[in-house]
Amino acid sequence: DSGVTQTPKHLITATGQRVTLRCSPRSGDLSVYWYQQSLDQGLQFLIQYYNGEERAKGNILERFSAQQFPDLHSELNLSSLELGDSALYFCASSVEGAPPYNEQFFGPGTRLTVL
Amino acid sequence: KNQVEQSPQSLIILEGKNCTLQCNYTVSPFSNLRWYKQDTGRGPVSLTIMTFSENTKSNGRYTATLDADTKQSSLHITASQLSDSASYICVVSAANYGGSQGNLIFGKGTKLSVKP
Repeated sequence: DSGVTQTPKHLITATGQRVTLRCSPRSGDLSVYWYQQSLDQGLQFLIQYYNGEERAKGNILERFSAQQFPDLHSELNLSSLELGDSALYFCASSVEGAPPYNEQFFGPGTRLTVL
Repeated sequence: KNQVEQSPQSLIILEGKNCTLQCNYTVSPFSNLRWYKQDTGRGPVSLTIMTFSENTKSNGRYTATLDADTKQSSLHITASQLSDSASYICVVSAANYGGSQGNLIFGKGTKLSVKP
């Protein structure tokens, strides 16, 4: 158990809908990262937050947005969902936003299925 | 273009045997290289992290090597167990810029199956 929690575990929805994924980092970790992993694909970095502020952006679509709240939990919002958005979404946390040597601890993931 | 290539894509070995997984990268400027183990449907778990100056690092039966000159890394698994069946992901980090995550580049992973 990494100490990172994600809810829900599974989510099934229809195209065009909007969903929110939630992540609680390990106690004491200030940085939260979101990743997308499609079937048989590598992990794709979406976005990073550090202590409530956006720190880095990766291949995140405009239909997706995220935020980190004062209690350090984070939410990833996915809107106007398409079939291709079906994937595993992972959240990871680390102690600090920099340097990159800091180890990232991954949550169990949320499996999103768009029908 | 920063890339991480892993080989083989998949591998089947018998329990108790050793195996070596390969990772080649073209990431510059290089900061560090990590190996993760990912069980099916679960989050990746870190095995090793190596910086430029480290050329070998062990974690139990897992030993990672790094050749920064040739930009190659390998993960050697000794005396494999059924629980080693997983995907092994090589991740290379470019040098940090102003506190960002430093652009982690993920390989697609090697899927290892250990058979009894």
